[in-house]
Amino acid sequence: DAKTTQPPSMDCAEGRAANLPCNHSTISGNEYVYWYRQIHSQGPQYIIHGLKNNETNEMASLIITEDRKSSTLILPHATLRDTAVYYCIVRESNDYKLSFGAGTTVTVRA
Amino acid sequence: GAGVSQTPSNKVTEKGKYVELRCDPISGHTALYWYRQSLGQGPEFLIYFQGTGAADDSGLPNDRFFAVRPEGSVSTLKIQRTERGDSAVYLCASSSGVHTGELFFGEGSRLTVL
Repeated sequence: DAKTTQPPSMDCAEGRAANLPCNHSTISGNEYVYWYRQIHSQGPQYIIHGLKNNETNEMASLIITEDRKSSTLILPHATLRDTAVYYCIVRESNDYKLSFGAGTTVTVRA
Repeated sequence: GAGVSQTPSNKVTEKGKYVELRCDPISGHTALYWYRQSLGQGPEFLIYFQGTGAADDSGLPNDRFFAVRPEGSVSTLKIQRTERGDSAVYLCASSSGVHTGELFFGEGSRLTVL
């Protein structure tokens, strides 16, 4: 059973913010939201994760709704190198593995 | 290098042959994972090691697949009697073992079974 739902694809303009949605309506209290991305021919790369509060790092911001049933990954100034498949993953605090879905294929256009 | 290293990067073999794929994790990482990724799909979990032991091999598709990590560092994924359906990218990842810790992935080994 998929724990997250993401749109299969989206385009965004270079230099603009990219907002990637993810639904996780069955998330439980001890489950974190993780985002990874996979650039073509490379392994997945960690971006960010959060539990309840919004998080920001040098790559992106993660906005989690108050009810935690959805979240948005924000790439503040998308570049062509951000073109990748983005995976939203829900992971229990005591779970050692990540379970990937199909992700969102993001294409950044000049 | 400081990252996860996988060899070979590409392997072409014939149906029925035996294949070994190697993963060299980040130094000091106790947790090691193997994933398989078919074209157009997300990575699929195969097996997880904590130290030398396979703590979870529930993702291995059948008994033709086996993985070892004898000294708690390098791991080898072994596939016997390969089939065309085994063609995929095999990804290895390692982590420090903390449950909420980041997984660091290698670039994968692309296996093609003719």
